[in-house]
Amino acid sequence: QVQLQQSGPGLLKPSQTLSLICAISGDSVSSDSATWNWIRQSPSRGLEWLGKTYYRSKWNLEFAPSVRSRITIKPDTSNNQFSLQLNSVTPEDTAVYYCARQPYNSGGWHGYDYWGQGTLVSVSS
Amino acid sequence: DIVMTQSPDSLAMSLGERATINCKSSQSILLSSNNKNYLAWYQQKPGQPPKLLIDWASTRDSGVPDRFSGSGSGTDFTLTISSLQAEDVAVYYCQQYFHNLHTFGQGTKLEI
Repeated sequence: QVQLQQSGPGLLKPSQTLSLICAISGDSVSSDSATWNWIRQSPSRGLEWLGKTYYRSKWNLEFAPSVRSRITIKPDTSNNQFSLQLNSVTPEDTAVYYCARQPYNSGGWHGYDYWGQGTLVSVSS
Repeated sequence: DIVMTQSPDSLAMSLGERATINCKSSQSILLSSNNKNYLAWYQQKPGQPPKLLIDWASTRDSGVPDRFSGSGSGTDFTLTISSLQAEDVAVYYCQQYFHNLHTFGQGTKLEI
C-alpha cells in the first residue's frame, strides 16, 4: 500500500520560501512507472497542478508556467521522498498543498491514485 | 492549456436518485495511439485530499462502488451516480492528464 506523508511549515510571511516534503512508502521516487506531483488548492484558483519529477534513465522535471520562475522540485533517493520549494511567496500562494502519485503501466498514464494528506500553507504579514 | 468546464456547479438530490455531472474539455483528450481518454474523476470530502474514482474516463478505480460510472469521449464526459447514498455528499472534480499541464474542472458540489 502506497502512502505519501507530507511535512513542512504552514505559516509564512511574504517573500519567504515555502518548503514541503513528501515522504513515500510502498513505492520508490526512482520508479520508472510513476511521476511525483505537487498540486495546490485554494478557493480562488481551485485545484492547480504545480509540477512533477520522475525518473526515466535520468531525472526529469516539469512545471506549470504560472510558477515556473519560482518553483523547485527535488527528488531525494536516500530518503525516498521529494520536495517542493516555492520562492518569494505572496498571500496569493495561500492554499492547501498536496503531493500525489501518477502511475504509468502498459495501458498508459493514469489519474492520481495516491495523495498526501495536504498541508495548509498561509502567507500573511 | 486545456480548460476543463464542469456543469452544474452544484447539485441537490435526494437519496436513491440518479446524479449526473458533466465535464467538457477545450480540446480532445483522446490519445489515438491507445484509444484512451486521459480523463479522471475525483471525489473530495471536507478536510480530505481528492480520491480517484474513475480513470480513463470510464474505468472505476479499485474499491469504488459500482454505482459510480463514467462515460464520454473526446471532449465531453459524464460522471453518473446511479443511486445516491448519504456518503456521496462531496465535491466532484474532473481532470485531464492528456497534456503535460494537467488541469482540473472547477468542481461540482453534490448535496443530498
